[in-house]
Amino acid sequence: QKEVEQDPGPLSVPEGAIVSLNCTYSNSAFQYFMWYRQYSRKGPELLMYTYSSGNKEDGRFTAQVDKSSKYISLFIRDSQPSDSATYLCAMCSNSGNTPLVFGKGTRLSVIA
Amino acid sequence: ETGVTQTPRHLVMGMTNKKSLKCEQHLGHNAMYWYKQSAKKPLELMFVYSLEERVENNSVPSRFSPECPNSSHLFLHLHTLQPEDSALYLCASSLARDTEAFFGQGTRLTVV
Repeated sequence: QKEVEQDPGPLSVPEGAIVSLNCTYSNSAFQYFMWYRQYSRKGPELLMYTYSSGNKEDGRFTAQVDKSSKYISLFIRDSQPSDSATYLCAMCSNSGNTPLVFGKGTRLSVIA
Repeated sequence: ETGVTQTPRHLVMGMTNKKSLKCEQHLGHNAMYWYKQSAKKPLELMFVYSLEERVENNSVPSRFSPECPNSSHLFLHLHTLQPEDSALYLCASSLARDTEAFFGQGTRLTVV
């Protein structure tokens, strides 16, 4: 089993839709969870950062972590064509010597 | 801009060439990374440097040779590459090895 599983999509939604992106993981030591957004021909940019379980909201974006199920989600409300990108989940433990582990990324297209 | 700058943005090289990729960060971070991103695959961690010391080398072929002269600069020296090495090479930095990473825009490498 891979450490982090993420459906690669592609996912295509109409403008204004609510988008749900998800990752599952197997390592119960992961404590820090991130979502990155990567536009075509660009490097990934950090979108959301959460610690342990719970929700975090930033504008139209909400990140959820359910450590008991080893499942994390990113919700995008009122999706816009400018949200079209690849979204990568990433996570790490707090052992001090383990860099991030990434999912494959989900490619999202928001159609106007 | 994330504070991590990579040059060149695009590189085409023959299999017998020698070239170098450069990465620079002015974020005061202590850890720097090289990642390889190929189509339909997760980000592959290649090398990790912490306080200018190489701390991780993920079974990367010797035709890739990293160099970290100081905490702000990271190089990836390339020689006798293969066509399957064509990919987007991403540099990243983080405050510590288990904190969120900030990426450069990447170098799109094509080996012919």
